[in-house]
Amino acid sequence: VELVESGGDLVQPGRSLRLSCAASGFTFDDYAMYWVRQAPGKGLEWVSGINWNSGATGYADSVKGRFTISRDNAKNSLYMQMNSLRVEDTAFYYCGKGGCSSTSCYLDYWGQGTLVTVSS
Amino acid sequence: QLVLTQSPSASASLGASVKLTCTLSSGHSSYAIAWHQQQPEKGPRYLMKLNSDGSHIKGDGIPDRFSGSSSGAERYLTISSLQSEDEADYYCQTWGTGTQVFGGGTKLTVL
Repeated sequence: VELVESGGDLVQPGRSLRLSCAASGFTFDDYAMYWVRQAPGKGLEWVSGINWNSGATGYADSVKGRFTISRDNAKNSLYMQMNSLRVEDTAFYYCGKGGCSSTSCYLDYWGQGTLVTVSS
Repeated sequence: QLVLTQSPSASASLGASVKLTCTLSSGHSSYAIAWHQQQPEKGPRYLMKLNSDGSHIKGDGIPDRFSGSSSGAERYLTISSLQSEDEADYYCQTWGTGTQVFGGGTKLTVL
């Protein structure tokens, strides 16, 4: 299993960014997928999750209404559209594979992360 | 509210054993959790899923030195024969309907 994130960058507050996660080594459309972030020097914070067929999604209150998770099972890819970015969104963003098909599950594989820095 | 509580730090000597604790909030003592390890400057790594009855499913390549157990609302991760590479942050994670929760993490120092 391999999960490779991309798209992290330095952006100004209020701007947008799109993260991608390329997955391989497993049957992508059998499993839920997640985004988890970690601000510098802080702990892990769940951001969002999506079930196997995009029929169910969930968001942390801190990003609800600003971030949108999506997936393309044909491309074995997970995405996060991040709008109205804030300084407090600065973090490493990790892509994670679920251990089952629903969003109510644990993560059993992690990517190496991509850094998003929001600063003027 | 679903909350996981972990001690911020722990320490043990090289070659010894250590038991880390993750406590589920009131009313959630039947929940399963997962343990994850994060070595310095690295992404997290899944260690195991731990059920309320103590049964667990380990991740690929996780050594037998890592084991899990449960008692009531407490979930434990025991690491035996501590090695220097076990010095890391350890996080527990659980899940509800459409949501995930992480504990604050325990920083393990190997002396």
